[in-house]
Amino acid sequence: QVQLVQSGAEVKKPGASVKVSCKVSGYMLSKLSMHWVRQAPGKGLEWMGGFDPGDGETIYAQKFQGRVTVTEDTSTDTAYMELSSLRSEDTAVYFCATGIMGVGTAYYFDYWGQGTLVTVSS
Amino acid sequence: DIQMTQSPSTLSASVGDRVTITCRASQSISRWLAWYQQKPGEAPKVLIYKASTLERGVPSRFSGGGSGTEFTLTISSLQPDDFATYYCQQYKSYSAEAFGQGTKVEIK
Repeated sequence: QVQLVQSGAEVKKPGASVKVSCKVSGYMLSKLSMHWVRQAPGKGLEWMGGFDPGDGETIYAQKFQGRVTVTEDTSTDTAYMELSSLRSEDTAVYFCATGIMGVGTAYYFDYWGQGTLVTVSS
Repeated sequence: DIQMTQSPSTLSASVGDRVTITCRASQSISRWLAWYQQKPGEAPKVLIYKASTLERGVPSRFSGGGSGTEFTLTISSLQPDDFATYYCQQYKSYSAEAFGQGTKVEIK
């Protein structure tokens, strides 16, 4: 059974960066496609980016391109999402989630972390 | 980018009711659609993928249908545990707006 455990809540000032971690247990991170989805308070879900093991590339949503970096440390089975140039609108719960691909498609998500609240406030 | 629109935004229903949520895509996504349930303070949970395939462990009162641009999630007999917010998600292509805006199912 795959389990994803995320790092704790963060409070950041505008302009700063935040790095959220997601520790995998029950499976090898190198065999998974890990993605990041966020949810602003009272709002819906937004896909930010993730790793496509098919071609070994990380894909980012255009909205976050240039501000988000998704990385992995397969030696510790830990995935990371770093978001830079934070603004108040980035206040949200950030989830890691494992992706399942259709045939030549993007991913839907089966296992999810518990979420990490990132608050951006001066 | 493909836009996903759910309706209604809120649905009031009673235990035992049959409820249907609709999700429309701005262009054809074939059957590359998933449905999720989310309760307050929790992560989303996948219910259905490929439009109509039930995720293992999900009760059979949940069913999905549709293809192309119009999809439905039906709960055949609403149970107390089903009061939650439901999201559709297209996975034909990558997009920050892959998810619908959500439908909150509340107690009537």
